[in-house]
Amino acid sequence: EVQLVQSGAEVKKTGESLKISCKGSGYSFANWWIGWVRQMPGKGLEWMGIIYPGDSDTRYGPSFQGQVTISADKSISTAYLQWSRLKASDTAMYYCARHGSVSAGTNYFDFWGQGSLVTVSS
Amino acid sequence: EIVLTQSPGTLSLSPGDSATLSCRASQSVRSNFLAWYQQKPGQAPRLLIYGASSRATGIPDRFSGSGSGTDFTLTINSLEPEDFAVYYCQQYASSPYTFGQGTKLEIK
Repeated sequence: EVQLVQSGAEVKKTGESLKISCKGSGYSFANWWIGWVRQMPGKGLEWMGIIYPGDSDTRYGPSFQGQVTISADKSISTAYLQWSRLKASDTAMYYCARHGSVSAGTNYFDFWGQGSLVTVSS
Repeated sequence: EIVLTQSPGTLSLSPGDSATLSCRASQSVRSNFLAWYQQKPGQAPRLLIYGASSRATGIPDRFSGSGSGTDFTLTINSLEPEDFAVYYCQQYASSPYTFGQGTKLEIK
């Protein structure tokens, strides 16, 4: 059974750093892209970016390029999303999701994590 | 960047009714690379449809997707109480793989 388990809720202050995680199981983690999706309070879904754990090839959405860093450690089947300096506007739920092959045209999100709530205050 | 516009914003229907949700793209979506997701309050989204018309594993056949080019539709026949949720379309033809703003399906 494919599962993505995310790290827990975080409460941080503006300017602090943060790294949240997403651990995959039940499939070959290194051979599937993993993506991150932001959902701000009461709002819709935003595609942040994806990473291929096998070779760490990473793609970012233009709104998120330079704002966050996506990484992965295939040895422990875990993907990460990190911020170096949080802003209040980073307050949101963040989901990781398994993302199919870009070259095969199956690059939709078929399995999702439960979400990690990040709250940033001053 | 492909912009997806969903309509209506909110749809009020009763159990047993049929729902028609629209997703319009700002430019043609190559190879009908269009997916639909369902999100219930407090839950992660769930994949319903991919390739514009293929149901994901375990999705009931009352859910169907259609369309091509710039106009896509999600149809839900004979609404069940558990179908009332927010629905998002997403294009995965051109990076960034954008989502629509969502349609809320509520009980009338």
